[in-house]
This record gives sequence, structure tokens and C-alpha cells, in this order.
Amino acid sequence: DAGITQSPRHKVTETGTPVTLRCHQTENHRYMYWYRQDPGHGLRLIHYSYGVKDTDKGEVSDGYSVSRSKTEDFLLTLESATSSQTSVYFCATSKMDFSGANVLTFGAGSRLTVL
Amino acid sequence: GESVGLHLPTLSVQEGDNSIINCAYSNSASDYFIWYKQESGKGPQFIIDIRSNMDKRQGQRVTVLLNKTVKHLSLQIAATQPGDSAVYFCAETVSGNTGKLIFGQGTTLQVKP
Repeated sequence: DAGITQSPRHKVTETGTPVTLRCHQTENHRYMYWYRQDPGHGLRLIHYSYGVKDTDKGEVSDGYSVSRSKTEDFLLTLESATSSQTSVYFCATSKMDFSGANVLTFGAGSRLTVL
Repeated sequence: GESVGLHLPTLSVQEGDNSIINCAYSNSASDYFIWYKQESGKGPQFIIDIRSNMDKRQGQRVTVLLNKTVKHLSLQIAATQPGDSAVYFCAETVSGNTGKLIFGQGTTLQVKP
């Protein structure tokens, strides 16, 4: 997890409230990703970024938005949290090598509980 | 849609034995595969990768085998140790495709002393 910091690590919130999770990296990697992990579903991609202000949707993007104003920071926002968004959220980064092979490095995760 | 799946949710082995974790993938366009290990309370960690132009790759105590004909991937761990207890995920991607990885659901490896 060296070089990737997620905050907060744990959060409990109520349905309907906005939530922002922050991912900070010191690796100067171009690519950043947000995944959620749920029992029976493995890791699913929410959104990703391929550069400052360049973002795109993943497979489970509904209810989430992201922003990347600096190379080192990638924010995930739940505009109005729902119980179905209770999950563990992982940020990942990658520099992508010259051949296009991509090894993601993950943060330690942020556990979000929506009551 | 594409999916990457693992055949067994839990694998229990005796310390010192060899472990084999299997994975099936469905996207024939995938050309790069990675195995990750996730310990309790931590993020996934890279173990080993393999490109589709290879059928075998070895690391330290780990070997990944790729069979493109049947779209099957396996991770072999030699002389399994208690520290190997974790959830193992395979992931697939198409090289250069913005790096998006598709993950399988994971296999829990339990090592009995």
C-alpha cells in the first residue's frame, strides 16, 4: 500500500447524505481507479481516471461521481448515499508500462456503512 | 458480458503441500492476466502476471499456467505456508485498454498447520 493513502478508512453515514472518499498517491501514476468489493461480487470497477480531469465510467458507476484535479488525488463522491452502497472501497493506481500491461497497486480500503 | 470466475470458493490445504487455485475467463480478447492476494483487512497485492503469448510463468514459490484453448488460468503455490492464507483473485484485461481489470470473485485459501 506504500504510496497510496485512502481516507477515511472507516465511515458510518445515514441514507441520503453525501459522502466523499479520497485517494492520494505519491507514485505520480497516470491512472487511478475506484473499485468496490462486496461478498459474492469480487472487485468491481466504479470509475477510473487516465489523467487530470480525464475520467470515465466503470461497470457500476450509477450513484457515484469522481473528480481528479491533481495527479495525486482522486475523489469518489456518493451524492446521496444508499444502503446498497455499503461496501469496502479500494483505490488503485497504475503507470501502465510501454507494452500496455497494467499492474494495479491498491490502497488499504475504505469501509463505508450506510444506515 | 465478460466475466472471470474461480471454480472453488474455498480451498483448504495442509501446510507444506502444494496448492492449486483455478480461474476461468470468458473474454477471448483478454491478453494479460494477473493474480492478486488479499489478506484480511488489506488491499489486494500483486503476486504474478502472465501474457497471452506465454503458457507458464514462474515466480518465487508460485507458478501461473495459462491455457488459452479452454480459457483457463491457474495459480500454483509450492510448499504452502500459513502466511499464504488469504483470498486469491485472478484478473484479466486487454492490454492498453485503459488498464481496466476484470476480477474474479476470489478463492479463499486456508492453510492447516
